[in-house]
Amino acid sequence: AQSVTQLGSHVSVSEGALVLLRCNYSSSVPPYLFWYVQYPNQGLQLLLKYTSAATLVKGINGFEAEFKKSETSFHLTKPSAHMSDAAEYFCAVSALIQGAQKLVFGQGTRLTINP
Amino acid sequence: DAEITQSPRHKITETGRQVTLACHQTWNHNNMFWYRQDLGHGLRLIHYSYGVHDTNKGEVSDGYSVSRSNTEDLPLTLESAASSQTSVYFCASSRGLAGSTDTQYFGPGTRLTVL
Repeated sequence: AQSVTQLGSHVSVSEGALVLLRCNYSSSVPPYLFWYVQYPNQGLQLLLKYTSAATLVKGINGFEAEFKKSETSFHLTKPSAHMSDAAEYFCAVSALIQGAQKLVFGQGTRLTINP
Repeated sequence: DAEITQSPRHKITETGRQVTLACHQTWNHNNMFWYRQDLGHGLRLIHYSYGVHDTNKGEVSDGYSVSRSNTEDLPLTLESAASSQTSVYFCASSRGLAGSTDTQYFGPGTRLTVL
């Protein structure tokens, strides 16, 4: 069964510092992976997705993620954090469950930006 | 612009009452989903639909029902609300592309409190 694990429920970085949010996946077939962001009191918004076309995926707001099969990872990074990046981030894998394709989410990582 | 809306945004109800949460999308998407979001659990799938008159159970479907009479709407009904159903509920939709790369778009959420 496909699943994702997000390492660290809370991450805190200083403004201007590197952002690194970790996601490891488990999948018996080539996975399709997603990162979503949730700002306070809002729904989820797609940041980026991996569809096997390229291992380095660029998303919105300066975020990118690299698919590493050998490490079963899909970590999200941003070179320089902005205060506006404070939000909750979810990694998800597209999984075949009961004959239908669905998203399976990690538990989320709350990102705090310190001035 | 096309969008996905949920109503109400906030709801307080009493144990045992029937509650219906509305979800409406204007993208003409085939697929629609209902999730609940709870601390420590990420998002969990309640029900989903792949087209008009099609409905399917997700991983946490007990106590919930849905019906799909048209493309735009997928209302979620709690037949007899329980305190364990206090949560934030998100509706999502996707085009229904073949394969696993279909992107889901989320509504703003409904915060439900069952007293």
